[in-house]
Amino acid sequence: DGGITQSPKYLFRKEGQNVTLSCEQNLNHDAMYWYRQDPGQGLRLIYYSQIVNDFQKGDIAEGYSVSREKKESFPLTVTSAQKNPTAFYLCASIPGSGNTIYFGEGSWLTVV
Amino acid sequence: AQSVTQLDSHVSVSEGTPVLLRCNYSSSYSPSLFWYVQHPNKGLQLLLKYTSAATLVKGINGFEAEFKKSETSFHLTKPSAHMSDAAEYFCVVIGGFKTIFGAGTRLFVKA
Repeated sequence: DGGITQSPKYLFRKEGQNVTLSCEQNLNHDAMYWYRQDPGQGLRLIYYSQIVNDFQKGDIAEGYSVSREKKESFPLTVTSAQKNPTAFYLCASIPGSGNTIYFGEGSWLTVV
Repeated sequence: AQSVTQLDSHVSVSEGTPVLLRCNYSSSYSPSLFWYVQHPNKGLQLLLKYTSAATLVKGINGFEAEFKKSETSFHLTKPSAHMSDAAEYFCVVIGGFKTIFGAGTRLFVKA
């Protein structure tokens, strides 16, 4: 079955460490997105990519980095520069028709 | 430019009474509109979507929404609330590969 796979589902990080969240899709979608959700809050766009080897900053890109070396993969690195990284992270993709969104199951990141 | 406004941050209803969650949007494109639901500590689940077909869209779990272009609205309704409907609901617009999320509406259902 086609879909989006995020890993890990739960991750604990010590302060000052970088961590990378994986997002893989086998839907052949060009556009992929990373969102952050804080408790009781909506989703905020971190980064998005419309084609391979190209990506754009979203509303809260500071302290994050991404790469898009392959169409199916869009990993997100939470760097030590991100001051408050504890959150729920969602990856999404959109087909060329732009008429639906597919979401991964999400990754919970906790800084300890 | 695109934007989505969910007019209520919280809605509280009694079980068995109607639900109305309001969403207004603006888009420079012919938008696709969605409602997603998120239960506590869960991911997002698609309730329904509008993609330029019928303006009245039926979704899962008895929810429906009507696209009103003249009012730029896409309100979500359900005739009779159930306790299991208590969750966070997001209105989403896609236009020109930009996805815009509303801030969310928390639905409380009282017994």
